Amino acid sequence: NAGVTQTPKFRVLKTGQSMTLLCAQDMNHEYMYWYRQDPGMGLRLIHYSVGEGTTAKGEVPDGYNVSRLKKQNFLLGLESAAPSQTSVYFCASRDPGPPEQYFGPGTRLTVT
Amino acid sequence: AQKITQTQPGMFVQEKEAVTLDCTYDTSDPSYGLFWYKQPSSGEMIFLIYQGSYDQQNATEGRYSLNFQKARKSANLVISASQLGDSAMYFCAMREANAGGTSYGKLTFGQGTILTVHP
Repeated sequence: NAGVTQTPKFRVLKTGQSMTLLCAQDMNHEYMYWYRQDPGMGLRLIHYSVGEGTTAKGEVPDGYNVSRLKKQNFLLGLESAAPSQTSVYFCASRDPGPPEQYFGPGTRLTVT
Repeated sequence: AQKITQTQPGMFVQEKEAVTLDCTYDTSDPSYGLFWYKQPSSGEMIFLIYQGSYDQQNATEGRYSLNFQKARKSANLVISASQLGDSAMYFCAMREANAGGTSYGKLTFGQGTILTVHP
């Protein structure tokens, strides 16, 4: 039982490049989330999904797109990376009912 | 306005002593939940404890307890008998309900408190 996994663990991009971060969970959870963590600011919600085929904007959605084509996967895309998107990205999942969110190990992204 | 405020950027405690990490929150929603997460230097987010706004008793999980004072809007984490492995960043977070009463579990985090346990 792997829980929540994220791919890749580290990535360096040049400004203007694109990439996709993959989050996968094997707990059959309905809800999935993408957060970013910047120094001194805690975690902020980028986008979330409440089921396969659904997505919604969080607190800081600009510059990101997401897709949830399969229940177990939640993809975060950067179409044209900017240095302001340098951050650590966390994916999380949970089911309705129990309050706990299960977090992935994080992806450290640097945009130069 | 800050919804979650952690006013202690850093705290120090002696091993085996107890420590309290402060968290205050701001919400007008009667239904909400409060969480504490631990983030060690390795970076993962570890769930510690949860308190629902309607829970009558303070939550406890082993050495962790949540001192929930609803009228003061505070949800302080108390760690008893500190251990060296408790050295980490600690985040307080809140889940509110959307209009219509469903939050889908979205969390708002505080800025965190770095706890250092001295031997």
